[in-house]
Amino acid sequence: DSGVTQTPKHLITATGQRVTLRCSPRSGDLSVYWYQQSLDQGLQFLIQYYNGEERAKGNILERFSAQQFPDLHSELNLSSLELGDSALYFCASSLSHRTDTQYFGPGTRLTVL
Amino acid sequence: QKEVEQDPGPLSVPEGAIVSLNCTYSNSAFQYFMWYRQYSRKGPELLMYTYSSGNKEDGRFTAQVDKSSKYISLFIRDSQPSDSATYLCAMSEQAGNNRKLIWGLGTSLAVNP
Repeated sequence: DSGVTQTPKHLITATGQRVTLRCSPRSGDLSVYWYQQSLDQGLQFLIQYYNGEERAKGNILERFSAQQFPDLHSELNLSSLELGDSALYFCASSLSHRTDTQYFGPGTRLTVL
Repeated sequence: QKEVEQDPGPLSVPEGAIVSLNCTYSNSAFQYFMWYRQYSRKGPELLMYTYSSGNKEDGRFTAQVDKSSKYISLFIRDSQPSDSATYLCAMSEQAGNNRKLIWGLGTSLAVNP
């Protein structure tokens, strides 16, 4: 168990809808990262927050947004969902903004029908 | 061309075999190299972490970095069925607040009893 928690485990929704994925980092970790994993694209970095502030952006679509709250938990909001958004979404955390040692949560499996 | 290339496999070996997993990369600025293991339906977990060139050993696992060839390897000795997983390489450049990991697609390994 990495100490990173993610909810929900599974999410099934329809195209055009909006969902929120939640992540709680390991105790003491200040950085949170969001990733999308699909079979053909592999693990794609979406966005990183450090102590409440956005630190780095990857291949995050404009329909997606995230935030990190004062208690350090983070939420990833996905809107106007498309079939192609179906994937595993992972959250990871690390102690600082150094990105080389990250601890991953169990993931949220999103299915868009 | 992707920054990090990794043969997706699948790789199937008998129990007890020596396994060699590899990644090549194009960015000579990469300094930090990691191997993650991901079991089916789980988040990736950090297996090995190396800085710059050289070897690092941890039990049955050895990570090797050859920066001159832009090539990294993970060797697994006396492979066990419990090693069956997807192995992802990841790497990052040196320092900087917006440093982020670049990931390989992962190699699927099956160790057969």
